[in-house]
Amino acid sequence: LAKTTQPISMDSYEGQEVNITCSHNNIATNDYITWYQQFPSQGPRFIIQGYKTKVTNEVASLFIPADRKSSTLSLPRVSLSDTAVYYCLVGRGSGGYNKLIFGAGTRLAVHP
Amino acid sequence: DAGVIQSPRHEVTEMGQEVTLRCKPISGHDYLFWYRQTMMRGLELLIYFNNNVPIDDSGMPEDRFSAKMPNASFSTLKIQPSEPRDSAVYFCASSFGIALGEQYFGPGTRLTVT
Repeated sequence: LAKTTQPISMDSYEGQEVNITCSHNNIATNDYITWYQQFPSQGPRFIIQGYKTKVTNEVASLFIPADRKSSTLSLPRVSLSDTAVYYCLVGRGSGGYNKLIFGAGTRLAVHP
Repeated sequence: DAGVIQSPRHEVTEMGQEVTLRCKPISGHDYLFWYRQTMMRGLELLIYFNNNVPIDDSGMPEDRFSAKMPNASFSTLKIQPSEPRDSAVYFCASSFGIALGEQYFGPGTRLTVT
């Protein structure tokens, strides 16, 4: 599985847009990029997944450049409830053996 | 659906005792995963099952750990004997298919071994 690198922590304020970038230089052709969110005392929760270009859902947007060696999770107008740890994972989107490896994640703190 | 159900939510036990953690996956899901989370090591995959069959247990730390899935709606993770270093939050997750996305995690069991 491709190794991922993301910032350990980030700070933001309510109402701001937050962009978390993840590097995955060794991403394979079949790999998808997936982001999970984890609140304190809860299990991780799937946020968004993409293969290339841009993906948007009701929670976030995911931007993936053409070379796919990095990706950016964008959270629009964050609120205090977005304070959580965000994990970037890279692996096969479907089929085949796929061992999830969660890195340290990015600890996002949203301030009033 | 009630989501993935884990019990107990908290467990405090003494070193040397047997500990059994339980998980009920989401109905219809054919994959079940056990993870362990600590501050030092983060979130680690211990073992996963497909259609009740263990597929990869390479993450199980040692022989003191064992996991079973007797049927599609129930799995256990057992530690015998338990040690203080086993203190962690243990998560169970399930999914339909092995796709990277959309594993559904339970609330976790916080285990403290004194």
